[in-house]
Amino acid sequence: TQLLEQSPQFLSIQEGENLTVYCNSSSVFSSLQWYRQEPGEGPVLLVTVVTGGEVKKLKRLTFQFGDARKDSSLHITAAQPGDTGLYLCAGVLGDSSYKLIFGSGTRLLVRP
Amino acid sequence: NAGVMQNPRHLVRRRGQEARLRCSPMKGHSHVYWYRQLPEEGLKFMVYLQKENIIDESGMPKERFSAEFPKEGPSILRIQQVVRGDSAAYFCASSPRQGEGYTFGSGTRLTVV
Repeated sequence: TQLLEQSPQFLSIQEGENLTVYCNSSSVFSSLQWYRQEPGEGPVLLVTVVTGGEVKKLKRLTFQFGDARKDSSLHITAAQPGDTGLYLCAGVLGDSSYKLIFGSGTRLLVRP
Repeated sequence: NAGVMQNPRHLVRRRGQEARLRCSPMKGHSHVYWYRQLPEEGLKFMVYLQKENIIDESGMPKERFSAEFPKEGPSILRIQQVVRGDSAAYFCASSPRQGEGYTFGSGTRLTVV
């Protein structure tokens, strides 16, 4: 069983549409990170959220950490083909600050 | 510094051979982590090392797998007597402090034939 569930697994949308991907768990995380991974490359860190209820914006991307620190969401406004990739959330449990627990990812395709 | 450098990018081994994967962390980073990614899955933690020390190897299979991070030179992940199930992408990350500021390398894609 996956500790972090991401949904949807796959998403294909038209350029200009908005989308939200979700990362859910029954565990409480001390922090949560979002990464984007392109084919043949390693994950690239987008953001780290630490405080329950925290919202961070990165241009057209908005990240939210749930109040209970069990879930997170990533919202993309006016998606562009350059947003295409695998989006991974990764949580840190309080007892091992270095060990990232990854979700299985959301594969996003933005069609021109 | 171009970031975390992993080599080779692609590695093909026959069953029973040894695979050696190398990772040079970013300059100034003394913490190294190895993760494995199976197709269509997220990354799974394998091992965490500091210079000359293994801090946590709880995610690494007890047999055939070993890791080191010597005082000089890159970190090495070694897989002996590879089997088909070892085929995966292996990623290394480094950080300047424990658990902070992760930077991942581009990975080594191991294929066992």
